[in-house]
Amino acid sequence: AQSVTQLDSHVSVSEGTPVLLRCNYSSSYSPSLFWYVQHPNKGLQLLLKYTSAATLVKGINGFEAEFKKSETSFHLTKPSAHMSDAAEYFCVVSTGGGNKLTFGTGTQLKVEL
Amino acid sequence: DADVTQTPRNRITKTGKRIMLECSQTKGHDRMYWYRQDPGLGLRLIYYSFDVKDINKGEISDGYSVSRQAQAKFSLSLESAIPNQTALYFCATSDFTVNYGYTFGSGTRLTVV
Repeated sequence: AQSVTQLDSHVSVSEGTPVLLRCNYSSSYSPSLFWYVQHPNKGLQLLLKYTSAATLVKGINGFEAEFKKSETSFHLTKPSAHMSDAAEYFCVVSTGGGNKLTFGTGTQLKVEL
Repeated sequence: DADVTQTPRNRITKTGKRIMLECSQTKGHDRMYWYRQDPGLGLRLIYYSFDVKDINKGEISDGYSVSRQAQAKFSLSLESAIPNQTALYFCATSDFTVNYGYTFGSGTRLTVV
């Protein structure tokens, strides 16, 4: 079965420093992978998606992720954190033959001055 | 107007009561989903529907039922609410493939006392 593991439940960075949120996936076929963001008391917003095109995917707000098949990883990065990036981030994989999405348990990103 | 609308936004109900959460969409998508979010557990799939005649159980369907009244409407019912059903509930829609991701509603925060 397809699944994702988010390796850190909480990440804390200083404003202006790089962000790295780690995600490993398990899939018996080439999956579609996504990152979603949820700001406090808000719904979920799609940050970026990988669907077997370019392995380096650029998303909104300066985020990007690289699909590495050899490492079964899809880590989310941003060169310089901003206070507004503080939120919960979910790594997501397509499952059920591509018919539904399975979510990781989330990584809470804290950005400090 | 939002593409996916959930009502109510917040609800407090008593143990044993029946409650219905409603979802309507203007995306024209055939596929609709109900998830619940709990801290540290991410989002878990309750039920999903690929068209008005197709209803499928997700990973945590016990204690819940759904109704797909029309292409645009998908309701979630708790027949006899219990406190561990206190959670944030999200409705989502997708096109014929999830490879473009989901469109989420803003969520319903349900508290069972």
